[in-house]
Amino acid sequence: QSVLTQPPSVSAAPGQKVTISCSGSSSNIGYYSVSWCQHLPGTAPKLLIYENYKRPSGIPDRFSGSKSGTSATLAITGLQTGDEADYYCVAWDRSLTVVFGGGTKLTVL
Amino acid sequence: EVQLVESGGGLVKPGGSLRLSCAASGFTFINAWVGWGRQAPGKGLEWIGHIKSRDGGEATDYAAPVKGRFTISRDDSKNTLYLQMDSLETEDTGVYYCTADVPTLGAPIDYWGQGTLVTVSS
Repeated sequence: QSVLTQPPSVSAAPGQKVTISCSGSSSNIGYYSVSWCQHLPGTAPKLLIYENYKRPSGIPDRFSGSKSGTSATLAITGLQTGDEADYYCVAWDRSLTVVFGGGTKLTVL
Repeated sequence: EVQLVESGGGLVKPGGSLRLSCAASGFTFINAWVGWGRQAPGKGLEWIGHIKSRDGGEATDYAAPVKGRFTISRDDSKNTLYLQMDSLETEDTGVYYCTADVPTLGAPIDYWGQGTLVTVSS
C-alpha cells in the first residue's frame, strides 16, 4: 500500500495527451513539492519533473507537472511509443521519509 | 555525466547479511545526500533511506520496513556509498538502486543507478 495514490494504468494513442494523477496528504504533497520519475524496465529510473513543474536539462517540454493542494498531475503531450514506461510521483513526507506513488503504467496504443 | 554503479548483489539465505556498494561520479559527491531505493518483483519503487552530506552531519533516515536491519554509510574519499543489510527476509528480494539528491536540483531523488539484484531465499 503506497502512501501516494496513482492510477495503476493509463493509455492513449500516439500524438495524444495523457494525464497521471497523484494524491497524497497534508504530510507530504500538501507540505512539500512533488517530483515525477520515469522507469523503463531494466533501466535506471529517470527524473522528469521536480519542484512540481520544473524540468531537468534534457527533458522535453512535452512533459509538464502541476500541483494543487494535496494532489499533483503529470501531463504528457504528443505521445510517442518511447514514452511507454512506469511513472511515479515522489515527495518528502514530514515523517522524514521519502514517499512514492504505486506507479502508473503508460501504454501508447 | 552522472553515474551511479551498484555492486554486491546476489543470493543470500533468510537471516543472512549482504553489503552493497555504489561508486558515484559526475557530481560533487560530498555535497549530495545519497541513499538507496528498491523494487520488489512485480511491485513499484520504494525508498529505503539516505545519508545526508557532511554539512548535514551525515545523519541517516530509513523507511520503516528496514529500520534497525539496514545501515547506510558513505566514504567521501572514495565517492562511494554502502548499504549493509542484516537479518534479511524473503520480502527484501528485489532490485536495489543507488540514489543521489544533489543541491542543484530540488527532488528527493535526482539520480538513480542501474540497480543490482538481491535474492533472499533458502
